[in-house]
Amino acid sequence: NAGVMQNPRHLVRRRGQEARLRCSPMKGHSHVYWYRQLPEEGLKFMVYLQKENIIDESGMPKERFSAEFPKEGPSILRIQQVVRGDSAAYFCASSGTASRPHEQYFGPGTRLTVT
Amino acid sequence: KNQVEQSPQSLIILEGKNCTLQCNYTVSPFSNLRWYKQDTGRGPVSLTIMTFSENTKSNGRYTATLDADTKQSSLHITASQLSDSASYICVVSGGSNFGNEKLTFGTGTRLTIIP
Repeated sequence: NAGVMQNPRHLVRRRGQEARLRCSPMKGHSHVYWYRQLPEEGLKFMVYLQKENIIDESGMPKERFSAEFPKEGPSILRIQQVVRGDSAAYFCASSGTASRPHEQYFGPGTRLTVT
Repeated sequence: KNQVEQSPQSLIILEGKNCTLQCNYTVSPFSNLRWYKQDTGRGPVSLTIMTFSENTKSNGRYTATLDADTKQSSLHITASQLSDSASYICVVSGGSNFGNEKLTFGTGTRLTIIP
């Protein structure tokens, strides 16, 4: 059973470009969470999605950031017009098994560098 | 404001020795407390999850304790191995409806095991 998969693992973008980060949850999981980890800081919640629905986006910046989890395919975190301050590791987690509903399993992360 | 504080920030010990990592939290409401291990360049991996009614939980050489009255937790590692070198993150859940958990992350203790 493959774990949570994220790609790309590393992404370099110039200021003003768009970044698209993908997350495929574990098989059978229908809940996806995105977190951001700035250097020397703890992970910070960004957004929680279920299939085709954003449930909680209270941690997401109001501008330039968006997320989706379509019926088919991976969850996408999209950052438009990236700035240097967006450089961070972005982690996706998934959960949703009946036996362990609250256990979040993390992917390996995407390290975004904005030059 | 919900906060999770960990100490020490970093720790270096000899292989085979024991160590204890500390976590203090001010998260309300409280649902559960988790310890994660995060290897460099990887996503966090769950070690233990404890609810308020659990005082201690073990996972192999890892033993976590929880004092919900003083809002403190510790992670004890016995007979350390080189592979234990990682960041250990204390995470507190503020409760939720199914799936929509509010997790507050500490910044972690960076543990280095030297031969």
